[in-house]
Amino acid sequence: GAVVSQHPSWVICKSGTSVKIECRSLDFQATTMFWYRQFPKQSLMLMATSNEGSKATYEQGVEKDKFLINHASLTLSTLTVTSAHPEDSSFYICSALGQGGSYSNQPQHFGDGTRLSIL
Amino acid sequence: KQEVTQIPAALSVPEGENLVLNCSFTDSAIYNLQWFRQDPGKGLTSLLLIQSSQREQTSGRLNASLDKSSGRSTLYIAASQPGDSATYLCAVKGTGSARQLTFGSGTQLTVLP
Repeated sequence: GAVVSQHPSWVICKSGTSVKIECRSLDFQATTMFWYRQFPKQSLMLMATSNEGSKATYEQGVEKDKFLINHASLTLSTLTVTSAHPEDSSFYICSALGQGGSYSNQPQHFGDGTRLSIL
Repeated sequence: KQEVTQIPAALSVPEGENLVLNCSFTDSAIYNLQWFRQDPGKGLTSLLLIQSSQREQTSGRLNASLDKSSGRSTLYIAASQPGDSATYLCAVKGTGSARQLTFGSGTQLTVLP
């Protein structure tokens, strides 16, 4: 089955640090990847959609200069939280959509998430 | 704007019981609906995907139904086991240019041994 690997799984860092999270599709090529944020006991909120080779599309209220997304290849997307602050602490999850077939009938495959804690 | 609601928010049942989780959505113009399982501190595992033209999907002890016109889906779990304890999320994929998944807030299921 399709596997999405997310790294790191947990990061703790000081306020002001920039943190990069990687999302890789291991056994398929992902033309589209999604980045979500999840607060405790809440559902996933879409932050941005990235397509390989083009700029990411950010959801309303998400600061593009704060959350930098790069989708440089068909198997890798990165999310960089720049100058992170305690309020950025959250669970970040990426998801990938494969190539081929109909967009409508493709399931999204999710990574295991990254827990970010900013001190 | 699509809104997805899941009821109940939490459910606790004894092992062996059959149970139903509910999901409703406000905009019936969807491509598909997916049910996911999320264990604490983990990502999402896809359980079932129902296309908008389908009425149900089955996988093992799980059966998901979809009534697009009324904006409802149910996830039926037969003969529940303690290992089924997790949060179950439903999500709908919209039509139009966005085509993004909109998630419900989940049902936290606890199956007691």
